[in-house]
Amino acid sequence: DTEVTQTPKHLVMGMTNKKSLKCEQHMGHRAMYWYKQKAKKPPELMFVYSYEKLSINESVPSRFSPECPNSSLLNLHLHALQPEDSALYLCASSQEAAGGFETQYFGPGTRLLVL
Amino acid sequence: GQQVMQIPQYQHVQEGEDFTTYCNSSTTLSNIQWYKQRPGGHPVFLIQLVKSGEVKKQKRLTFQFGEAKKNSSLHITATQTTDVGTYFCLIGFQKLVFGTGTRLLVSP
Repeated sequence: DTEVTQTPKHLVMGMTNKKSLKCEQHMGHRAMYWYKQKAKKPPELMFVYSYEKLSINESVPSRFSPECPNSSLLNLHLHALQPEDSALYLCASSQEAAGGFETQYFGPGTRLLVL
Repeated sequence: GQQVMQIPQYQHVQEGEDFTTYCNSSTTLSNIQWYKQRPGGHPVFLIQLVKSGEVKKQKRLTFQFGEAKKNSSLHITATQTTDVGTYFCLIGFQKLVFGTGTRLLVSP
């Protein structure tokens, strides 16, 4: 199984809402990633978890809060977002992140619209 | 921060024509990856290059890593409509950074 799944596929939320994005993989990968992608732009790295610990936070605003409950799951909690946060949020996984630059397997993404 | 430029930004070709995208880094890289993202889809890994001057082929796709390990190219021979999408390079120098991408449109 080389699939990364993400839910929901689409999400519309107001600026005062709290919502969560979910990502799951069953490939036994120990590194998981969150990316943000605006239209016609490349994905931008937000967070990396390695062995369930946050290893990279690319200076992401605190209104985005990642969580890795176990090695297969990755969440992104959203609170008080702004309209400019509207984007495609991509989750990815790789075998390991520490010390390597590995093949990443991406999920289909969640299209987020903040009103 | 680290910028990885790809040229061209966009290319529209007729089916059967060749296509090349170039990825240029301001720093020497240890390795580089290439991904393809179809319209409405997600990035899919194509290949990783590690050695200086390395050339790898996948059917009609040829990937090259520059001798100085500061640039890379992806060449598609005889494009097909299934090649439509955006091609990104990805570097892992200090941090993970995608190139700006080249969007390929192929007309039948």
